[in-house]
Formats: sequence, C-alpha cells, structure tokens
Amino acid sequence: GEDVEQSLFLSVREGDSSVINCTYTDSSSTYLYWYKQEPGAGLQLLTYIFSNMDMKQDQRLTVLLNKKDKHLSLRIADTQTGDSAIYFCAETYRSSGYALNFGKGTSLLVTP
Amino acid sequence: KAGVTQTPRYLIKTRGQQVTLSCSPISGHRSVSWYQQTPGQGLQFLFEYFSETQRNKGNFPGRFSGRQFSNSRSEMNVSTLELGDSALYLCASSLDGVGNQPQHFGDGTRLSIL
Repeated sequence: GEDVEQSLFLSVREGDSSVINCTYTDSSSTYLYWYKQEPGAGLQLLTYIFSNMDMKQDQRLTVLLNKKDKHLSLRIADTQTGDSAIYFCAETYRSSGYALNFGKGTSLLVTP
Repeated sequence: KAGVTQTPRYLIKTRGQQVTLSCSPISGHRSVSWYQQTPGQGLQFLFEYFSETQRNKGNFPGRFSGRQFSNSRSEMNVSTLELGDSALYLCASSLDGVGNQPQHFGDGTRLSIL
C-alpha cells in the first residue's frame, strides 16, 4: 500500500495528555488500528475504530477519526512513564484478501 | 486464553542457509498473517493464510514462503538467506481475517543473518 504517515517522535511530561496523529491512505479502509510496541516485544493491540465512527473512547484512550481528511488521532490522557513506547497506526487494505498497512511508528517518550 | 505464540524467539543463521519459523494462533482463530519489521522499511506484510490456503500475498520474493496446517498453526520459510533478511518476523492471527476482526500479534522471531 501507499504510505501511512505519522510523526516520528513525541515527548510529553508525566500526567499530561499525549496526542499521536496519523494520516492514512485508503478511503475504503473499514477499520483503523492503534498498536503499541515496547522494546523487545511484539505489537499490542490498543484500540481500533470502525470507519463509520467519529470517535471511540476506551478508558484513558480516545480515538478521533476524520474520514474526509483521512486523519486519525490517538489521545492518551494522564500519560504515565509506562506509556513510553512506539505507537503504530494501521489501516486495512484489500487486495485479494485483507492486510494491514502500517505507519512508521511514533516514538513516545514520557518524562517524570 | 493464550495469545499468539511464535517460536523460536531468536535465531542466528548465515547467508545461504534456510530457516523455518513457527506460529500458533489464538485458539479459534483461523487467519494467520506474517509481517517483517526492519528499521529501514518498517512493518511490511508478507502473506496471509486461511483454512490452509494462502489468500493474500505481499511484495516479497519467492524465497519467502509459508503454509498453514489443519489446526491453523502456520510456518514461514525463508530460503537462501541474505543479509537483508535480518529482521523481526511477526505473526498475527484473527478470527477470519476479513478486515472486521482485529489482528493480534505474537512477540516475534528475531532473525539475524551473519
């Protein structure tokens, strides 16, 4: 697929909110995902949103979707040092089946 | 419920060798996908299997192949290894892989080519 764009780096203070942005490419994507990757680990599914929704809230996580601009964001409230990780945005794209097209990831650093 | 299990976690091989990686999906999941993660290219889709059939394939050479067994477990094989094949190989499973079910990932196999 084409490139899913994310900013590469974000630094926030503990207790602040973090907002990670993503621009996706496929307007026919049915679901959009956020994954978290900690050092030496695989991808942990954080949350996902169906394309007919504008917003989804799940405890400290809020996902906003602007379909017109193909823009997705992940807000983490009350960010903790344990939230430091790489966050990946992913869109579903369909060729002969379904696959995920990932952004390059945003490295979130939370400082005390 | 156990998550996606990948074995081995680490592998060291030399150029020209071949390697087989294994993935056990979450119980009940029938779709297994494989991804390659490198610092330069990021996460790239390799292929997806469903009911023992390859249903979707990414843009990788034929040296990369896979298969799925009747119990949904999957293996990935890379032949004639090259230095550029050094990567983290991630397996993901979902119920049916039709786009409306999230993919759950294992911790990956880190392959190093010397």
